[in-house]
Amino acid sequence: NAGVIQTPRHKVTGKGQEATLWCEPISGHSAVFWYRQTIVQGLEFLTYFRNQAPIDDSGMPKERFSAQMPNQSHSTLKIQSTQPQDSAVYLCASSLGSNSDYTFGSGTRLLVI
Amino acid sequence: GDKVKQSPSALSLQEGTNSALRCNFSIAATTVQWFLQNPRGSLMNLFYLVPGTKENGRLKSAFDSKESYSTLHIRDAQLEDSGTYFCAAAVSNYNVLYFGSGTKLTVEP
Repeated sequence: NAGVIQTPRHKVTGKGQEATLWCEPISGHSAVFWYRQTIVQGLEFLTYFRNQAPIDDSGMPKERFSAQMPNQSHSTLKIQSTQPQDSAVYLCASSLGSNSDYTFGSGTRLLVI
Repeated sequence: GDKVKQSPSALSLQEGTNSALRCNFSIAATTVQWFLQNPRGSLMNLFYLVPGTKENGRLKSAFDSKESYSTLHIRDAQLEDSGTYFCAAAVSNYNVLYFGSGTKLTVEP
């Protein structure tokens, strides 16, 4: 069990460019979550999939952020026209389902310059 | 307001001493998780709790859903316990975790 795998570990992107972050959940886990961590805001919920279907994206900035889960083995978080305020650590987690503990990946540290 | 209030925000302990961290919930939490974030940023699971208590080595955690709080007790603190501890709560069958703001623990020799 390799755990939740996130790639890349670090990404530097220029303002206005696109960034795509990848997450491979633990095999057999039906729920996948994306969170963002900054010094100021702490850990913020972004979006949640269950059995690949989007369940809740209430934490996603609507205009430039999107997330997909095209198959059970990976999810992507795409940020279009990145801005410096998007700089953060983006964390993906998976769980077996309702009332199950989360396992987090190591995160992707995004820096927008 | 904050759904999960965690205290203290920072804590310094001498090696070998004991302490407790606390989270109060303004939501109807049904499950709680405690994590330790290491200096590399990885969040490691410590406990997953339904109402009740769990113990693992020098760590013990309790969750009281009626009084809406959870605690994490650290006994005989060691240098490797240093890091940032987070509590998080979920409501009923809705799996999203709401996080506290963290407790930065420093254990000194």
